[in-house]
Amino acid sequence: DAGITQSPRHKVTETGTPVTLRCHQTENHRYMYWYRQDPGHGLRLIHYSYGVKDTDKGEVSDGYSVSRSKTEDFLLTLESATSSQTSVYFCAISESPSGGTDTQYFGPGTRLTVL
Amino acid sequence: AQSVTQLDSQVPVFEEAPVELRCNYSSSVSVYLFWYVQYPNQGLQLLLKYLSGSTLVKGINGFEAEFNKSQTSFHLRKPSVHISDTAEYFCAVIAFGNEKLTFGTGTRLTIIP
Repeated sequence: DAGITQSPRHKVTETGTPVTLRCHQTENHRYMYWYRQDPGHGLRLIHYSYGVKDTDKGEVSDGYSVSRSKTEDFLLTLESATSSQTSVYFCAISESPSGGTDTQYFGPGTRLTVL
Repeated sequence: AQSVTQLDSQVPVFEEAPVELRCNYSSSVSVYLFWYVQYPNQGLQLLLKYLSGSTLVKGINGFEAEFNKSQTSFHLRKPSVHISDTAEYFCAVIAFGNEKLTFGTGTRLTIIP
């Protein structure tokens, strides 16, 4: 298994509070991704990073920000959590963009509940 | 733009019966195609992928998929399923030159003993 950990694994928070999710990898892969998984929607890309301090938006980036100060860590922040951000969040990594031979490897997920 | 459609949200199948999970894609350029599997309470893992060459792709756990360019499909098949195949299956597409995968909405495969 690819060395990807996510923390916390479960979190319950209240509307309006800030939340930070962490993704840590030991594979030295260049690309890192944050997805959210919701019933009926599959996985949707929130943000991704193609290097230290290099990030870009995905299809559902509103209300989320990211930072990557080290190759191994990719942080996802909800500045002011809302109930619509209740979801399961997955981090993924790949050596290069998914076009090509490289696979995305997924972490175990973080279940976030916003009350 | 790229998109992928999984028409079946749930597929119940008897144990040892064959199964086909359908996936259709849309793109104005050539694509790479993937199937991922998610077992209960786990992350996703790659089942198989089509990059080029033979249109019949074999993956892990006895699964295979066939790329059909004329029908823009990439259906997943297994000749005989087991209880352990109970999972959610996601088709994904990426167009040449793109950096982002697009996932389908998933098909939940339930195996009936």
